[in-house]
Amino acid sequence: KAGVTQTPRYLIKTRGQQVTLSCSPISGHRSVSWYQQTPGQGLQFLFEYFSETQRNKGNFPGRFSGRQFSNSRSEMNVSTLELGDSALYLCASLATGGTEAFFGQGTRLTVV
Amino acid sequence: GEDVEQSLFLSVREGDSSVINCTYTDSSSTYLYWYKQEPGAGLQLLTYIFSNMDMKQDQRLTVLLNKKDKHLSLRIADTQTGDSAIYFCAENDKLIFGTGTRLQVFP
Repeated sequence: KAGVTQTPRYLIKTRGQQVTLSCSPISGHRSVSWYQQTPGQGLQFLFEYFSETQRNKGNFPGRFSGRQFSNSRSEMNVSTLELGDSALYLCASLATGGTEAFFGQGTRLTVV
Repeated sequence: GEDVEQSLFLSVREGDSSVINCTYTDSSSTYLYWYKQEPGAGLQLLTYIFSNMDMKQDQRLTVLLNKKDKHLSLRIADTQTGDSAIYFCAENDKLIFGTGTRLQVFP
């Protein structure tokens, strides 16, 4: 059974650009959550999608958005990139009624 | 809003016990988790405890939960250098994670 797949693994963008990150959850998992991990702020919750609907949202500006497709794959978009958006972006998938969230290896975004 | 807090660093000698602490605010969680992140890797579930339990033991790991004080701890007995990692606690209602505690084990 394939794990959670995030693409790309590494990305370098310049300030002002936008970026789209992708997450394919474990087959059968309908919940996908996104997190931003930085050395200073730890792991911060961005949003959670379940069955194509955003179920929960963290405290991030509107430049951060996401969506989920009917096959449960999720994308996260960041517009007008800032230097402070440089981070490891992790997604996690969870089975309905499951107790364990499975994480991908993350996408490391560097904004220059 | 919900919040989960941890101390940032812990340094222990190999063979000693490590205790990582966590406080949370959301009392509606069904489970509380401990995840481990090794360098360059994603997070992996280490153990979890139901919110109606006080303690759970799993080999070298002991989880203690004080619901009244909303305090969760992870004790690692006989800490090894391979235990060096970042440890995150999380509550399951919205899967909110703490800032992570970086455990460093030295010989």
